[in-house]
Amino acid sequence: KAGVTQTPRYLIKTRGQQVTLSCSPISGHRSVSWYQQTPGQGLQFLFEYFSETQRNKGNFPGRFSGRQFSNSRSEMNVSTLELGDSALYLCASSLGASNEKLFFGSGTQLSVL
Amino acid sequence: AQRVTQPEKLLSVFKGAPVELKCNYSYSGSPELFWYVQYSRQRLQLLLRHISRESIKGFTADLNKGETSFHLKKPFAQEEDSAMYYCALRGDFNKFYFGSGTKLNVKP
Repeated sequence: KAGVTQTPRYLIKTRGQQVTLSCSPISGHRSVSWYQQTPGQGLQFLFEYFSETQRNKGNFPGRFSGRQFSNSRSEMNVSTLELGDSALYLCASSLGASNEKLFFGSGTQLSVL
Repeated sequence: AQRVTQPEKLLSVFKGAPVELKCNYSYSGSPELFWYVQYSRQRLQLLLRHISRESIKGFTADLNKGETSFHLKKPFAQEEDSAMYYCALRGDFNKFYFGSGTKLNVKP
């Protein structure tokens, strides 16, 4: 069974641009959540989708948004990029609504110059 | 507020020594706690969860509701245990809260 796949692996953008990150969950998993990982801050929860609906949202500005498609694949979009958005963005999938065990992707490393 | 605190950024021990990675949480409900681990160049993965009361790779963690702690312990550290460890709380609405992580370095 293929694991959680995130594309692209690396991204370099400049301030003010926007970016879209993609996440394909493990087959059969319906929940996808996104995290921002930075040194010293650990993982900060961005949002979670289940069956195409956003169930939870973290404390990030509205520039961060996401969506989930009918095949459970998810995208995350960040508009008007800032230097502080540079981070590793991790996607995790889980089987059902209870989110007991998260399976993480390798992440997308975003650098904002 | 729901929060997880890992007070140590880095923990260095010698091979064969006991290790304890600290985790404290803040949650008014009945907590569900997890330890996730990230080995070098690998994905973040679940190590253990308190509800299972299991021992994985020699690690155990006991939930202490009185002290609001979920410390990770291993009696004899191995070099392959060197990794980044994250404590996590599943709170309201199935939302996960992660600590800032502790880097464990096991020296030969």
